[in-house]
Amino acid sequence: NAGVTQTPKFQVLKTGQSMTLQCAQDMNHNSMYWYRQDPGMGLRLIYYSASEGTTDKGEVPNGYNVSRLNKREFSLRLESAAPSQTSVYFCASSEQGGGETQYFGPGTRLLVL
Amino acid sequence: TQLLEQSPQFLSIQEGENLTVYCNSSSVFSSLQWYRQEPGEGPVLLVTVVTGGEVKKLKRLTFQFGDARKDSSLHITAAQPGDTGLYLCAGNALGDYKLSFGAGTTVTVRA
Repeated sequence: NAGVTQTPKFQVLKTGQSMTLQCAQDMNHNSMYWYRQDPGMGLRLIYYSASEGTTDKGEVPNGYNVSRLNKREFSLRLESAAPSQTSVYFCASSEQGGGETQYFGPGTRLLVL
Repeated sequence: TQLLEQSPQFLSIQEGENLTVYCNSSSVFSSLQWYRQEPGEGPVLLVTVVTGGEVKKLKRLTFQFGDARKDSSLHITAAQPGDTGLYLCAGNALGDYKLSFGAGTTVTVRA
């Protein structure tokens, strides 16, 4: 039982390059989330998926797209990376939304030059 | 402007001392959660409080939810170096599906 896994762990991109961050959970959770964490800002929600087949914007969606590939997998895509997207990205899942416990992956550290 | 304001932002204390972290908002929350995050890892849930005035204890950690469900506190008694980490409060406002996180309090306990 791996919980929430994320790949890659680290990535360096040049401005304008694209990449996809992968996330998978093995807890049969319905809801999945993508956050970014910046110093002094806490965790900010980028996109979430309440259930398979649905996705919704969070607080900071600009510059990102997501795909809920199936119940297990939720990917985050940066089409044209910008230095402002340098951050640590966390994927999380929960059984449902609201006040349910969220389980986080180990994070992806992204540097955009 | 964040929905949840945490204070202080940083806290450095000696082993054996007590500390309190605060989480405040002008909004009412259905529930409030506290997470701890260690360097290089994702946050891990410590506790969820649901009822106004609720107090929960987890060993040396005491969590309180305000009567009006707008604020919460985390108190650590006799802190140990293993308590070092980033403490995050998170809540879902009434009718909101999503969690909002505070900016976090970085706690350092010196041996």
